[in-house]
Amino acid sequence: QVQVQESGPGLVKPSETLSLTCNVSGGDINNYHWSWIRQTPGKGLEWIGYIYSGGTTHYNPSLKSRLTLSADPSTNQLSLRLTSVTAADSAFYYCARDRLPHLVLYAFDVWGQGTMVTVSS
Amino acid sequence: SDELTQDPAVSVALGQTVRITCQGDSLKYHFAAWFQQKPGQAPSLILYDRDERPSGVPDRFSGSRSGNTASLIITGAQAEDEADYHCGSRDTSNNHAIFGGGTKLTVL
Repeated sequence: QVQVQESGPGLVKPSETLSLTCNVSGGDINNYHWSWIRQTPGKGLEWIGYIYSGGTTHYNPSLKSRLTLSADPSTNQLSLRLTSVTAADSAFYYCARDRLPHLVLYAFDVWGQGTMVTVSS
Repeated sequence: SDELTQDPAVSVALGQTVRITCQGDSLKYHFAAWFQQKPGQAPSLILYDRDERPSGVPDRFSGSRSGNTASLIITGAQAEDEADYHCGSRDTSNNHAIFGGGTKLTVL
């Protein structure tokens, strides 16, 4: 069974860069679209972007200028980098897998437990 | 870009049927996926392709679509169904994922 674990710094200062990692076990990250999704406590979900085997990415237009997603198949790890963060970037960040290989369905059947990020000085 | 709209809160009596709706223009062209989220937990996929359930999801959960509205129907709601429910689909212009604001379901 595929398991996902996000990790990150917890606290980031305004204007700095947020870096998060998603470790995947029990399955290969290749051939699936992996999305990052965030959620402000008590609020709805916001899709950040996805990365696919070989490095194909697709980003939420509202974050595109600040966002970089990457994947390392050798370590089965995914990464998110978001620059120039503000308080509006404070949220739970999740890593999630699309349901079927090769297809973009936006039906995420595997989720990590998420990692909370607070942007504050 | 497209948006999905959900009622913020819905309640249902134990054992009764409840419909949770999700409205948006993108739903005329794309199916919704539904996610259940209990307090302190990550979302979990419960419906996709309008009315398909992942393994392990009870058959009291079903879905439908009419025009620009997708519905999640719980037939015979149980206490453990009390949760937030999020619908998701794709933006027709940018082809990125979009979500509704979520509906908090209370089982009375």
